[in-house]
Amino acid sequence: DAGITQSPRHKVTETGTPVTLRCHQTENHRYMYWYRQDPGHGLRLIHYSYGVKDTDKGEVSDGYSVSRSKTEDFLLTLESATSSQTSVYFCAISEDSMNTEAFFGQGTRLTVV
Amino acid sequence: ELKVEQNPLFLSMQEGKNYTIYCNYSTTSDRLYWYRQDPGKSLESLFVLLSNGAVKQEGRLMASLDTKARLSTLHITAAVHDLSATYFCAVDPNRDDKIIFGKGTRLHILP
Repeated sequence: DAGITQSPRHKVTETGTPVTLRCHQTENHRYMYWYRQDPGHGLRLIHYSYGVKDTDKGEVSDGYSVSRSKTEDFLLTLESATSSQTSVYFCAISEDSMNTEAFFGQGTRLTVV
Repeated sequence: ELKVEQNPLFLSMQEGKNYTIYCNYSTTSDRLYWYRQDPGKSLESLFVLLSNGAVKQEGRLMASLDTKARLSTLHITAAVHDLSATYFCAVDPNRDDKIIFGKGTRLHILP
């Protein structure tokens, strides 16, 4: 299995609080992605990174920010969590853009109450 | 706006039968990916299709890509219960690494 770890795996937080999810990889892959998965919507891209300090927005980036200060870590921050951000969040990595397969983390289940 | 549509969204079938899942996308893309997800689990890459006419096979699964028709198919041959999962297709139409997923096809194979 690809070395990709998400933390935490589960989190319950209150509306209005900031939340940071971490994705850590040991594969030295250039590309990293954050997706959210909701019933009826499949996976939707939030943000992605194509290198250290190089990030771009995805389909559903509002309310989220990301940072990548090191190759191995990609952080997703919810500045002020809302109930609509309750979801399962997946991190993915790929070596060479998407010409190669992407590997997904185990997911983080976030509940905003 | 790019749309990736999978058909059907839910499929219940008997073991031993053949079936095809369809993935249509609304803008040109020469890259298409298939993933499998088991309930409560992460996604696993099945196929990466990078050119028109590409065909890849793994066991009872075969995927193909027709970029002119903007269509990919995932064909299941002689289905077995272990293939029960949700299957996603995804495309990168602008080659800008913004990979867009379909909503998934939930496949339930009855023993």
